[in-house]
Formats: sequence, C-alpha cells, structure tokens
Amino acid sequence: QVHLEESGGGVVQPGGSLRLSCAASGFTFSTYDMHWVRQVPGKGLEWVAFMRHDGNNKYYLDSVKGRFTISRDNSKNTLYLHMNSLRVEDSAVYYCLDGDLWSAYFKHWGQGALVTVSS
Amino acid sequence: EIVLTQSPDTLSVSPGESATLSCRASQSVNSNLAWYQQKPGQAPRLLIYAASKRATDIPGRFSGSGSGTEFTLTISSLQSEDFAVYYCQQYNTWPPLTFGGGTKVEIK
Repeated sequence: QVHLEESGGGVVQPGGSLRLSCAASGFTFSTYDMHWVRQVPGKGLEWVAFMRHDGNNKYYLDSVKGRFTISRDNSKNTLYLHMNSLRVEDSAVYYCLDGDLWSAYFKHWGQGALVTVSS
Repeated sequence: EIVLTQSPDTLSVSPGESATLSCRASQSVNSNLAWYQQKPGQAPRLLIYAASKRATDIPGRFSGSGSGTEFTLTISSLQSEDFAVYYCQQYNTWPPLTFGGGTKVEIK
C-alpha cells in the first residue's frame, strides 16, 4: 500500500532555511507526480508545489515562488521541499501527496511535518 | 485563481440526521472537485472525487453531487465518527490547486 512519510520539520528563525523530505513506498515513485500541501494547525489547507514524475513541470504557490524549491530523487524514492527565506506565515504542517497533472486530488496522506518559523 | 466558498462554516446535526454541505466555485470547475474529511489530530481523508465518485472504502452514506460552480456533499444518517471538518478542493484549473475554507460538522 502507498506510504508517504514526511520528515525534516522543526523550529527555524525568520529568514532561515529548512529542507523537508518525503520517503515514498508501496508504489512506483518514479512514475508518480507529486505535490506539497500545507496546513496551519486548526486552519485550512493550502497547496504549495508540484513536480512531475520525470522532474519537469514544476509549479508553485505565488507566495513561495523564488523561496521554495521542489525536487525529487527517483533513485531514492524521495521528494524534497527546500525552503529558504522562511517567514512566520510559512509555519504549518507540510504534507507530501501523490496526484497527477489531470487528476490532482489526494488519496494518500502521511502524518505531515511541522514547520515552525519563530524568533 | 479559483476561489471555493464553503457553507455553512459550522453545521450542528443530531446523530442519525442528515447533513448537507455546500461548496461554490468562483468559476466553473466542471466536475473536477473533491471532498475530504479531517478529524482532530489527523490528516485529511479523501471522500469524493470527480464531484460524485466515492473513494475506496468510503461508506455509502457519503454522496457528492453538482457540476460547474455548485456542489453538495450529503451525509445521510450521521454516525458519531462523521463529526469532523470537511473541505472541498478543485483540480480543474491550476496552478494553484485550491481548497475551500471548510465546514465543521458538530454534534447538536
């Protein structure tokens, strides 16, 4: 069965950097498009970034463009989110999700990684 | 960007009754709409995709309808485990993918 496990969350100061990882198992990761979605605890859901299975076609939420970079290592079945110039408003639980370009809804959710940006 | 507006914010329902949740899109999303359920401390769970198709292992008391800009999630005969927050999400026109603000279904 599909399993997605996020890691790398933590507390970081404003302006700092963090890299989230998502270890995927139970499916052929190299053939799946992937997303990051975040949620401020107690608040709603916000899509953050997308990357096609072959590494092409990356899309970002406007507010993270130029600061966040989505990447993947298909040999390691791992998705990444590199976050730079972090802001207080980036504090959230970050989920990695599989969802293709044409059916971008999310069947499989991990436990998420909590990122707290605070001085 | 397509804005999804969910109503009401909170719905108070007695167990055994039905609940009707609404999601309105700022422009047509055809049938490219999904619904999720989220309980406290848990990740969301996919209930409905393509506006009306139940996801795997979702009970038949959950049903979705609508197309274009108006969508409804109906939960018939609410069970105790159904009290949660429900979100809609459109995947017709993106980026960005967008979610509604959520409807909390609480025990009356």
